[in-house]
Amino acid sequence: QKEVEQNSGPLSVPEGAIASLNCTYSDRGSQSFFWYRQYSGKSPELIMSIYSNGDKEDGRFTAQLNKASQYVSLLIRDSQPSDSATYLCAVRDDKIIFGKGTRLHILP
Amino acid sequence: GAGVSQSPSNKVTEKGKDVELRCDPISGHTALYWYRQSLGQGLEFLIYFQGNSAPDKSGLPSDRFSAERTGGSVSTLTIQRTQQEDSAVYLCASSLNGGRVGNTIYFGEGSWLTVV
Repeated sequence: QKEVEQNSGPLSVPEGAIASLNCTYSDRGSQSFFWYRQYSGKSPELIMSIYSNGDKEDGRFTAQLNKASQYVSLLIRDSQPSDSATYLCAVRDDKIIFGKGTRLHILP
Repeated sequence: GAGVSQSPSNKVTEKGKDVELRCDPISGHTALYWYRQSLGQGLEFLIYFQGNSAPDKSGLPSDRFSAERTGGSVSTLTIQRTQQEDSAVYLCASSLNGGRVGNTIYFGEGSWLTVV
């Protein structure tokens, strides 16, 4: 059974600080990794995708992948109240498996 | 279309009735997914279609659930003899094609099912 694990939170971070979200996965052969953001009552929307070891930056977001440790993370710099949401980690083989998500709360 | 389209957006049904949920993927996308999300829970994989290949049905929770995809485009998820525990939002997603690398999936707005 392939699994994607995330801490459910809530993770509370002061406005302007860095939020760090973590995810581990069980299938060493996985090659594609995604972070989705989901607001309450809405469908998930893609934040970042990453396929290679190392860091990938897009604006305030940085995704980090370590395949040897089977670990992927998302950093959000200069956190804003609008970043408050559930963040879903997803791993792709043929189908995409999602973690249960981490609830992030940015404190104004 | 511009995005993944799902219908109905909301459905209230009586226990024991059958329901059909429809998904129109993004034009040109060959891969189509169905997920279920109960209130406050994560996304539960249901079924995956990729082109003309046999679908991956490994996530369907019981034989009351079935899905088909006609002409490689529109998909219908059918739930027979609905139970209260079937109440959830059913999310459809599509991607350009399947495979291990790349191919971001994009979600529709979901069909909210309530079984009373």
